[in-house]
Amino acid sequence: ETGVTQSPTHLIKTRGQQVTLRCSSQSGHNTVSWYQQALGQGPQFIFQYYREEENGRGNFPPRFSGLQFPNYSSELNVNALELDDSALYLCASSDAGLANTGELFFGEGSRLTVL
Amino acid sequence: KQEVTQIPAALSVPEGENLVLNCSFTDSAIYNLQWFRQDPGKGLTSLLLIQSSQREQTSGRLNASLDKSSGRSTLYIAASQPGDSATYLCAVKAAGNKLTFGGGTRVLVKP
Repeated sequence: ETGVTQSPTHLIKTRGQQVTLRCSSQSGHNTVSWYQQALGQGPQFIFQYYREEENGRGNFPPRFSGLQFPNYSSELNVNALELDDSALYLCASSDAGLANTGELFFGEGSRLTVL
Repeated sequence: KQEVTQIPAALSVPEGENLVLNCSFTDSAIYNLQWFRQDPGKGLTSLLLIQSSQREQTSGRLNASLDKSSGRSTLYIAASQPGDSATYLCAVKAAGNKLTFGGGTRVLVKP
């Protein structure tokens, strides 16, 4: 059983640029969610994907968007990067069949630095 | 709006002492509560999951309790070791499969 994998692990961008982060869910998991963790803080929910559609979103602007593919992997795209977007971006997968009682499993994250 | 608080923000103990980490949440309408460990610059490792119908969960030296009515959970780590040094995060799950996290407790276990 493979765990949640994310790429890239680290990247540096400049303000105004765009970034794409990738996530492969744990084997057998069909739901992927993304979180942003600023330094010294707890993670904040960005959005969740199930059956290739967004089905939940936190308090993030539209320049944060995502995709889920038929194999359940997912991308997080951020346009018009701002300095405050510098953070660790975490992907989590879970099994929708367990509904709300299921456990979330996280990847190692992608560290984004915006200069 | 659910809010999760972890106090203290940082904790330093000598090796061998028991650790007690606290988590409180404002809305008791939760499905479950999860405790995570995070090493510096790393992702989250799930430690324990407590369903809303449960009072506690145990795994090795770790024990977590849940009092949903009072909005509190406590993580106990027995006989702490330097390898337990990390940040510990609690998160509650409400409708929509979304986790709301506390700010974490940074733990240092001194040899």
